Amino acid sequence: DAKTTQPTSMDCAEGRAANLPCNHSTISGNEYVYWYRQIHSQGPQYIIHGLKNNETNEMASLIITEDRKSSTLILPHATLRDTAVYYCIVRVAGNQFYFGTGTSLTVIP
Amino acid sequence: SAVISQKPSRDICQRGTSLTIQCQVDSQVTMMFWYRQQPGQSLTLIATANQGSEATYESGFVIDKFPISRPNLTFSTLTVSNMSPEDSSIYLCSVEQYGWEKGQETQYFGPGTRLLVL
Repeated sequence: DAKTTQPTSMDCAEGRAANLPCNHSTISGNEYVYWYRQIHSQGPQYIIHGLKNNETNEMASLIITEDRKSSTLILPHATLRDTAVYYCIVRVAGNQFYFGTGTSLTVIP
Repeated sequence: SAVISQKPSRDICQRGTSLTIQCQVDSQVTMMFWYRQQPGQSLTLIATANQGSEATYESGFVIDKFPISRPNLTFSTLTVSNMSPEDSSIYLCSVEQYGWEKGQETQYFGPGTRLLVL
């Protein structure tokens, strides 16, 4: 599966949109982009995933560039409870989910 | 999404002993996974447990150290054997569910078991 690159940490003001970038420049055509988050001392939580089109659910939006080499997870109105480590994962069906080091997001009051 | 519970939620154990961690899912699933997360680190896959077959272990993990049972489609156990302080970690189970609408599997995780070995 393609390797992903994420910033180590980010801050976001409470109530503002949190935009978390992920670079996956070697992604292949059949690889999906997944996002998970892990709030301290809890199991990872699935957020969203997509292949080519932008996706939105009740938690977040996923914007994938046209060349699919990068994506952005958007939390539209960040709250203190969104403070977590966010993992961007690129995966082919049937392969394992490889969790890298992720981005530690801190939402500031 | 599947609801997953783990027992115990945490434990403190003496070196040389063994601990069995239970993972219960509220629906039948084919594939279950066990992960380890060492302090300050990301998740590492230990093994894949499919019902009716032997677990498949990742490089660096062996059955003698981490025996796994999968007696049915809703339950699995992971045993951490002959523990040492290096086994102090969070152990997580997860299940895979296929999303027909999106044509892809998604993994859902349990809350984890926090193990401290003295």
